[in-house]
Formats: sequence, structure tokens, C-alpha cells
Amino acid sequence: AQSVSQHNHHVILSEAASLELGCNYSYGGTVNLFWYVQYPGQHLQLLLKYFSGDPLVKGIKGFEAEFIKSKFSFNLRKPSVQWSDTAEYFCAVKPPGSARQLTFGSGTQLTVLP
Amino acid sequence: GAVVSQHPSRVICKSGTSVKIECRSLDFQATTMFWYRQFPKQSLMLMATSNEGSKATYEQGVEKDKFLINHASLTLSTLTVTSAHPEDSSFYICSALPGSEDTQYFGPGTRLTVL
Repeated sequence: AQSVSQHNHHVILSEAASLELGCNYSYGGTVNLFWYVQYPGQHLQLLLKYFSGDPLVKGIKGFEAEFIKSKFSFNLRKPSVQWSDTAEYFCAVKPPGSARQLTFGSGTQLTVLP
Repeated sequence: GAVVSQHPSRVICKSGTSVKIECRSLDFQATTMFWYRQFPKQSLMLMATSNEGSKATYEQGVEKDKFLINHASLTLSTLTVTSAHPEDSSFYICSALPGSEDTQYFGPGTRLTVL
């Protein structure tokens, strides 16, 4: 079945460490890609998105993601994490032909230790 | 901008009763809203797509007679869980799409507990 995969379920880092969260999808054709963040007790917020153009996308709070079409990947990165980045991170894909619905990955819980 | 609210944030009800959850786009018009369900430590599962002025489109396995969706205006969609049972206990999240965009904006969610 076509899907969105986030292989890291829980990542624990110390402050200032670099972060990379994986996201792979299995849809062919043109997709739109998103990363959302859910801080404890809060609603999902958009971190960044890719529709077309430069495959390296910069988002809010120092996050960026790179779309690699050949690998069907859209990994999220941040060079130096902070304690306040502790949250759940969701990758989402709008598949080709979709009437604007999103398919979400299972999420990655990031814990940053002070 | 692009704020979505949900009401109530938490609701506890007895088995067999019905519960209505509201989703409002506060500063934009949304022709399309989505309803998701999120189980603990799991991802968001799309339940249905709500289009203003027309019937909702339900995902496979979601009972349309149990989860009634009404999208009567461009800023309000409601989800009614009818004859709720303990297995319906979950976190329900809505999102809204501004008419000209492909980015969903999410509400804060509603925690439903059915006793």
C-alpha cells in the first residue's frame, strides 16, 4: 500500500546536537510534502512545505528539509537543536490526484535534553 | 493569521449519548475542512473531508451514520459522534483549507472520553 514512513519513532538528543528526521513516501508522480510539529499540549503547526522548485526548503525556527526525488525522501534537518524543540514531528504528503487530503507519517517524538 | 479553533477542548460523556464538536476558521474562509482522529502515540488518521454546502466524503472504514459531519458555512464544520461508545474515545482534530491554498491549518483538537 502507498504510504508515508517515518522510521525514527523516538529520537533523544542533547542540546546543540544536529538533527535529521527521516521521511519516505511511496507515491509516484508529483507530490506536495509537508513537515508539521506538535508541541506538548498544542496543535499541529506547519514547519515547512515543498511544492516545487528548489528542493532544499527552509522553514521556521531554523528547520530545513531536502526533497530527493530519486530516493522518495523529504528529510527534516536542524544543525543545532534546543530544548524547546522537544515535540512530535509529522511528515505529510499530498499524493498525486488527491483532492487536497494529506497522508501523515506515524510521527517522530524528539526529546532534547538540556 | 490562519487560526482554527475547536470547541470543546475536552468532553466526557456517557456511553450512548451524542457529542458535537465544532471546528471554526477564525480569520479565513474554508471551503474544505478535514476531520482526523489521533490515537495515543500514533499518527493522524483522516476520517472525512467536509466541503461547504455538500455532503462529506468519508474514508474507508469510517461510519458516516456514526460520525455526522455538517459544513453549513465557510467558517464552521461540525462533527457529531452519535451513540458514542468507549471505543470512540480519542483525540479528534480538524483542519481547514483556505480557498486559495494547499496548506492545511489545524485546530487544537478535542479530547473525547466516553465512559
